[in-house]
Amino acid sequence: DAKTTQPTSMDCAEGRAANLPCNHSTISGNEYVYWYRQIHSQGPQYIIHGLKNNETNEMASLIITEDRKSSTLILPHATLRDTAVYYCIVRPHNAGNNRKLIWGLGTSLAVNP
Amino acid sequence: DGGITQSPKYLFRKEGQNVTLSCEQNLNHDAMYWYRQDPGQGLRLIYYSQIVNDFQKGDIAEGYSVSREKKESFPLTVTSAQKNPTAFYLCASFDDKDRGVFTEAFFGQGTRLTVV
Repeated sequence: DAKTTQPTSMDCAEGRAANLPCNHSTISGNEYVYWYRQIHSQGPQYIIHGLKNNETNEMASLIITEDRKSSTLILPHATLRDTAVYYCIVRPHNAGNNRKLIWGLGTSLAVNP
Repeated sequence: DGGITQSPKYLFRKEGQNVTLSCEQNLNHDAMYWYRQDPGQGLRLIYYSQIVNDFQKGDIAEGYSVSREKKESFPLTVTSAQKNPTAFYLCASFDDKDRGVFTEAFFGQGTRLTVV
């Protein structure tokens, strides 16, 4: 299973865009990139996923490089409630492989007033 | 509303006692999972179940036990054999049918177990 590398922590000013990078240089062709976040003392929450095209939903945008070796999660207008640990995970799209989700340490994002 | 519920949110137990953490879901998901999270660390898989009456050990199953008698419920027992039980425990459910369709993980709010 592909592993990911994320910065340990980041800061962002409230109202500005937060750009969270993730390296996944060993990603294989059938693996998607998923992003979750975990607010302190709560369960992780799904944000977005993608294969090779850029994706956008009501929470965030996901930019995947053409070689798929890295991606960036973008929170366009960060709020204080976006302060959380953000996890980048790669896994096959096949649902039967859910148990192989590999959770790293993620990026601790602090949104400052 | 559909969701996954863990209880209790906080649990205190004396060393040497077994304790059971509850996890219930009404999402009609076949698969349910238990994770453990320690401070500053990622989630580690304890046990998982992909169907009723069947479950498999994860990466750190020693000292834990589970049952899956009903689709909706997947309780986790932390036994006295678990050397360091104090942790944050998370339960998750997935729609784990092999249909090639994206499924996201739904997590409960967690149970923080403290053993004194």
